Amino acid sequence: AQSVTQLGSHVSVSEGALVLLRCNYSSSVPPYLFWYVQYPNQGLQLLLKYTSAATLVKGINGFEAEFKKSETSFHLTKPSAHMSDAAEYFCAVSEAGGGNKLTFGTGTQLKVEL
Amino acid sequence: DGGITQSPKYLFRKEGQNVTLSCEQNLNHDAMYWYRQDPGQGLRLIYYSQIVNDFQKGDIAEGYSVSREKKESFPLTVTSAQKNPTAFYLCASTQNGQANYGYTFGSGTRLTVV
Repeated sequence: AQSVTQLGSHVSVSEGALVLLRCNYSSSVPPYLFWYVQYPNQGLQLLLKYTSAATLVKGINGFEAEFKKSETSFHLTKPSAHMSDAAEYFCAVSEAGGGNKLTFGTGTQLKVEL
Repeated sequence: DGGITQSPKYLFRKEGQNVTLSCEQNLNHDAMYWYRQDPGQGLRLIYYSQIVNDFQKGDIAEGYSVSREKKESFPLTVTSAQKNPTAFYLCASTQNGQANYGYTFGSGTRLTVV
């Protein structure tokens, strides 16, 4: 079964600093990969997705992620953190070639400090 | 605007009661999903449905039931058999039943047992 691992349940950065949230997947065949953001007491919003096209994927709010097959990783980055980026971030995977459901990681809570 | 509506936003249940959470979508999506979210555990799949009058158990279906009588609606019943129902419940949908499109989420229902 597909799975994703998010390293670090809590990450803290200073405003203006680089944001790096880690996600590794377990699959011998490159799957479809997603990053979602969740603000308190709200649903999840899609940030970006990888579907086997370009390995560097750009998303909303200045976020991007790079698919690295050799490292089975799909880390999320943003060059300069803003206070409004404080939220919980989830990596998710679906089966290669499609599949009818997503499997989510345990989430990373991002804190942005002045 | 199209989207997913979950109601109520907050729900309180007494021990031994069944409660039903509503999920309605006007996106004309084929597949709908229910996830449970607990702190530090990410999202866990309860049930999903790809077509009307058909649904499948997810990873944690015990103590829950669903129905899919209309394409637009996928209500979740939390029964008295669910021993620890306090959680945040999220409904999602995707077009054509394929998760590689990514999900659209509702804003969630927070259920508390009192």
